[in-house]
Amino acid sequence: DGGITQSPKYLFRKEGQNVTLSCEQNLNHDAMYWYRQDPGQGLRLIYYSQIVNDFQKGDIAEGYSVSREKKESFPLTVTSAQKNPTAFYLCASSIDGKGDARGYTFGSGTRLTVV
Amino acid sequence: GDSVTQMEGPVTLSEEAFLTINCTYTATGYPSLFWYVQYPGEGLQLLLKATKADDKGSNKGFEATYRKETTSFHLEKGSVQVSDSAVYFCALSGGYQKVTFGTGTKLQVIP
Repeated sequence: DGGITQSPKYLFRKEGQNVTLSCEQNLNHDAMYWYRQDPGQGLRLIYYSQIVNDFQKGDIAEGYSVSREKKESFPLTVTSAQKNPTAFYLCASSIDGKGDARGYTFGSGTRLTVV
Repeated sequence: GDSVTQMEGPVTLSEEAFLTINCTYTATGYPSLFWYVQYPGEGLQLLLKATKADDKGSNKGFEATYRKETTSFHLEKGSVQVSDSAVYFCALSGGYQKVTFGTGTKLQVIP
């Protein structure tokens, strides 16, 4: 079955470290997204990509970076510049980036904790 | 800009009770509306959707009707089960790359 795979499920980061969260999809979707989820705040958009080799900042991009070298992969790097990275990170995809009424497919998330 | 407002949770119900989770929105144009469900430790799953006014989305006993006159998309279920315990998110899609999510409503169903 097609879907989105996020790894790892749990990740621990030391102060000053960069860490990379993996997101892979086999749905042949053009658009991919990264969201951050904090308790009581819903989902906030970090970055999104409509096509390979192109991506745009979302609402809270500071301290994060992404790449989109392959259609099926959209890794997120949480840099040391992100002051409060402890959160649940969700990757999603959609068929295209045109406000698709078919909705998003989400991965199962990565929980990042700073230790 | 676009926004989605959901009722505060948690909502606690006994098994077989009737469920309503309120959702209202603000958007320009004619957005598509969605309900997503998130089970503990998991990502979000699309539960149902509606793409135009008066459309009713339904799935797994849940229903929601797109009410343009009241800018609402309330989620309902006639008889909840313990397995429905989750967090429910209302969302709207207003165009290119612009899906706006509500803050989520936690539902707890007790036997």
